[in-house]
Amino acid sequence: QLQLQESGPGLVKPSETVSLTCTVSGASISTTNYFWGWIRQPPGKGLEWIGSIYYSGTTYYNPSLNSRVTISVDTSKNQFSLKVNSVIAADTAMYYCGRHERYTYGRFDPWGQGTLVTVSS
Amino acid sequence: NFMLTQPHSVSESPGKTVTISCTGSGGNIGNFYVHWYQQRPGSAPTTVIYEDKQRPSGVPDRFSGSIDSSSNSASLTISGLTTEDESDYYCQSYASNNWVFGGGTKLTVL
Repeated sequence: QLQLQESGPGLVKPSETVSLTCTVSGASISTTNYFWGWIRQPPGKGLEWIGSIYYSGTTYYNPSLNSRVTISVDTSKNQFSLKVNSVIAADTAMYYCGRHERYTYGRFDPWGQGTLVTVSS
Repeated sequence: NFMLTQPHSVSESPGKTVTISCTGSGGNIGNFYVHWYQQRPGSAPTTVIYEDKQRPSGVPDRFSGSIDSSSNSASLTISGLTTEDESDYYCQSYASNNWVFGGGTKLTVL
């Protein structure tokens, strides 16, 4: 059964870089039919797509975050990662990773349980 | 830019039927599939409808989805409401290398 698990530091200071990792189990991240994406949700607010990556390294980013975000993939570890630079309080959110179909622009499924990132000094 | 707009909240009584709308702007909602997620407090979203009107296994047939091209909108309809349906619901679609979520609708069953 495919499972995704996010991991990260929890607390990060303003202006620093936060790095999160999504570990995939139960399937290879190198499958040809899927993207692997990051979605975040500030406390009490809605979902925001951050960006997605294909196993080859092709990336797509939300234009509103593009300049501060980098997504990478490590097929040897079956993981993909997210870096957000110069974080501010508004980056405080639950960060989810998820798989979505490439050719049908399909749903995000499954999702990880999420990891909370708090930006505070 | 393509955007999806949902009502902030809806409420209905147990046993009744409710419809949550998802209106597209800046593009044709019929160009790509619309998916719907249910999110309970403290949990990750789960799919209740995918590819406009398909139900994943395990989702009751009380949940249904549709597209109305004339109004450029998608709808999630839940019939026979129970208190367990009380959740946040999000629509999601795609346009121009962007995966877009609606702002979410809080469903209250009272």
